[in-house]
Amino acid sequence: GAVVSQHPSRVICKSGTSVKIECRSLDFQATTMFWYRQFPKQSLMLMATSNEGSKATYEQGVEKDKFLINHASLTLSTLTVTSAHPEDSSFYICSARDRQGSAEQYFGPGTRLTVT
Amino acid sequence: AQRVTQPEKLLSVFKGAPVELKCNYSYSGSPELFWYVQYSRQRLQLLLRHISRESIKGFTADLNKGETSFHLKKPFAQEEDSAMYYCALTGQGAQKLVFGQGTRLTINP
Repeated sequence: GAVVSQHPSRVICKSGTSVKIECRSLDFQATTMFWYRQFPKQSLMLMATSNEGSKATYEQGVEKDKFLINHASLTLSTLTVTSAHPEDSSFYICSARDRQGSAEQYFGPGTRLTVT
Repeated sequence: AQRVTQPEKLLSVFKGAPVELKCNYSYSGSPELFWYVQYSRQRLQLLLRHISRESIKGFTADLNKGETSFHLKKPFAQEEDSAMYYCALTGQGAQKLVFGQGTRLTINP
């Protein structure tokens, strides 16, 4: 089946620094990837939709200058949290769709970000 | 606007008992509905989708357009069914999924 990986699985950084999270589709080409944020005991909140070769589409209320998304290839999307603050601490999950017209998304294992 | 409602945050049943996780949706067009499951310390994975009309791990879900519901059912719960379950919706031509708040299902021995 389709596999999505994320790296790193967890990261701790100091306030004011930037952190990059990678999302890769391992055995398929993902024209579209999604980035979610999940707070403890809550549902997934979509942050942005990332299409290969074009700018990401951010959901309302998500700061695009703070959460930089790059989808440079059909197998890789990155999320960079710039000037991180403790309130950015969360679980970040990516997902990918394998082809146009297929609504199914394959999820990565998530990245736990802790900002101290 | 698209919306998915899972009224139960927590659901606890005994092993062997029937289980039903409720999901209601709001969407003006023809939706595509999914159930995703997240077992402890594992990633979110697709359980089933309404267009497949199949039973996975004994679970079934029928789309009821009149009641705008997509409830997940299993006649005999097993301990390994304990997990977090999310109902999700996407619209025609839409890319993104809209998730419900999730229901934590606990199967007691």
